[in-house]
Amino acid sequence: QKEVEQNSGPLSVPEGAIASLNCTYSDRGSQSFFWYRQYSGKSPELIMSIYSNGDKEDGRFTAQLNKASQYVSLLIRDSQPSDSATYLCAVTGYNKLIFGAGTRLAVHP
Amino acid sequence: GAGVSQSPRYKVAKRGQDVALRCDPISGHVSLFWYQQALGQGPEFLTYFQNEAQLDKSGLPSDRFFAERPEGSVSTLKIQRTQQEDSAVYLCASSLDREGSPLHFGNGTRLTVT
Repeated sequence: QKEVEQNSGPLSVPEGAIASLNCTYSDRGSQSFFWYRQYSGKSPELIMSIYSNGDKEDGRFTAQLNKASQYVSLLIRDSQPSDSATYLCAVTGYNKLIFGAGTRLAVHP
Repeated sequence: GAGVSQSPRYKVAKRGQDVALRCDPISGHVSLFWYQQALGQGPEFLTYFQNEAQLDKSGLPSDRFFAERPEGSVSTLKIQRTQQEDSAVYLCASSLDREGSPLHFGNGTRLTVT
């Protein structure tokens, strides 16, 4: 079992819709959770961090964390074609940041 | 500097050659990480420094891989006797401290071993 699991996609959504990206993790001791966006050929860019159970909103992005279920998600409202990228879930574990393989999101006009 | 700087941006090496990849972290960042990213995969942890101390090198795939950060700032990842399976993007990231701080990534070095 991988330490951080994501559906590889692609997840295809129409412009203006809500995109929902999911991630599960195996280390119950994890305390910090991040979502990074990575455009093709570019390096990962931090878009959200979340540290406690519940929702955290930042503009069109909402991160949701449920430590009991070992589940973290990212919602993107009013999706735009510029949101098309790979979204990486990252979780602290064993004193380092562990990444999932990423979910590819495609927003079509 | 304004961000994490990595050089070279691209490196082509013949199988068996040694390579050295450089990372210049954000000024004042204590923690420095190296990751390897294969095509279509997420970044895989290689090694971690806190200042000049290498606290975790559990992700280094073989003893051909070596990293150092002698003065607690610039870091070098060295790969000896490169193999084709070493072809990947090598990402360096830095953060203010170890626990809970987000990582800030450089643009990476794309290594191609022919």
